[in-house]
Amino acid sequence: DAGVTQSPTHLIKTRGQHVTLRCSPISGHKSVSWYQQVLGQGPQFIFQYYEKEERGRGNFPDRFSARQFPNYSSELNVNALLLGDSALYLCASSLEGDNQPQHFGDGTRLSIL
Amino acid sequence: DQQVKQNSPSLSVQEGRISILNCDYTNSMFDYFLWYKKYPAEGPTFLISISSIKDKNEDGRFTVFLNKSAKHLSLHIVPSQPGDSAVYFCAARPTDSWGKLQFGAGTQVVVTP
Repeated sequence: DAGVTQSPTHLIKTRGQHVTLRCSPISGHKSVSWYQQVLGQGPQFIFQYYEKEERGRGNFPDRFSARQFPNYSSELNVNALLLGDSALYLCASSLEGDNQPQHFGDGTRLSIL
Repeated sequence: DQQVKQNSPSLSVQEGRISILNCDYTNSMFDYFLWYKKYPAEGPTFLISISSIKDKNEDGRFTVFLNKSAKHLSLHIVPSQPGDSAVYFCAARPTDSWGKLQFGAGTQVVVTP
């Protein structure tokens, strides 16, 4: 079975631009979570979506938004990019409920020039 | 506010010996704990988890121990193999937010021949 897939793998943008990152969850997984990982730190939670509704939001500015589609795939959008947005963006999917581990994709490496 | 802490940024262990990775947390609302392994240019891979109602969980070479009173968990890898060389992340999930994980900063493990 295919794991979590993310696209694109790498992306280079300039300050002020907008970016859209995409994620396809494992088949049967209805929950998708997004994380940002900067060098030397663990992933930081951005959003969770379940059944197309936002179920959680981390401490990120309103420039960050996301949505989930009927097929449970998801997009993360970031507006007005800043240099500090340079990071690895990870998507994870899981089955719903307690004691279900999240499974991660390989991420999108975003570089802001 | 770093609620999950991995105080050892690196660990070097000989092949065949035991690797012990430690993790401390501060939030009493965490009820599910996970360990992930991450290779460069890949996403985190789920290794093993433990619910707060247990104190030990074992899966092959990997065992996780949870000490709730001390708010401490550890991952034991026995025996260590060269392929275990990676960054290991401890993660915790709050009771009221099943789609959100909080991660430690990671421990770089190097297994030497």
